[in-house]
Amino acid sequence: GAGVSQSPRYKVTKRGQDVALRCDPISGHVSLYWYRQALGQGPEFLTYFNYEAQQDKSGLPNDRFSAERPEGSISTLTIQRTEQRDSAMYRCASSRTKQGGYTFGSGTRLTVV
Amino acid sequence: AQSVTQLGSHVSVSEGALVLLRCNYSSSVPPYLFWYVQYPNQGLQLLLKYTSAATLVKGINGFEAEFKKSETSFHLTKPSAHMSDAAEYFCAVSVKPAGRRALTFGSGTRLQVQP
Repeated sequence: GAGVSQSPRYKVTKRGQDVALRCDPISGHVSLYWYRQALGQGPEFLTYFNYEAQQDKSGLPNDRFSAERPEGSISTLTIQRTEQRDSAMYRCASSRTKQGGYTFGSGTRLTVV
Repeated sequence: AQSVTQLGSHVSVSEGALVLLRCNYSSSVPPYLFWYVQYPNQGLQLLLKYTSAATLVKGINGFEAEFKKSETSFHLTKPSAHMSDAAEYFCAVSVKPAGRRALTFGSGTRLQVQP
């Protein structure tokens, strides 16, 4: 596609439910990144992939968070047993090469009630 | 580990005035530095990046930034503010080019432009 597409744009879920956030990167982009942005803060790194391989997941806050990119294109970030503190904007970015700059999507606003 | 400090969470300037957004970084190795802009309900857009070439980096929309190693700074400037520059600006640091390593972002500076 023309840009990085994230869905849904907004997600409201009840505490304890699982959620799956989707990222569709720019076609052909090698690297894909997930960030989380709390209100009034800058984005915070979660994890990234080169092709289908998860290169670094050091930013995932705990084992309730996981991500996959099985075919090296679309990625899903899954949060199990959501908690209120998980409420944030979740941003995905992709880059054409391993050295390139990012293009960010518009994000998914997650609210846990 | 690397970090970024953006001085001033809010900056207000008059249209036509100089824009100066401050960024100081901490890195144990030579850094790569970036400025991103975020408009409401949009993704972050790359303004410019420093990757160890020229210390004065020119970006889009008339913005530029100068890497000063002695001051560990990478301040963003624009000679004359325009109403359309109102947005949130983020400075970020990486120890490898973006795409091979995660970026560490500052907490952002919201720029207001008064008519």
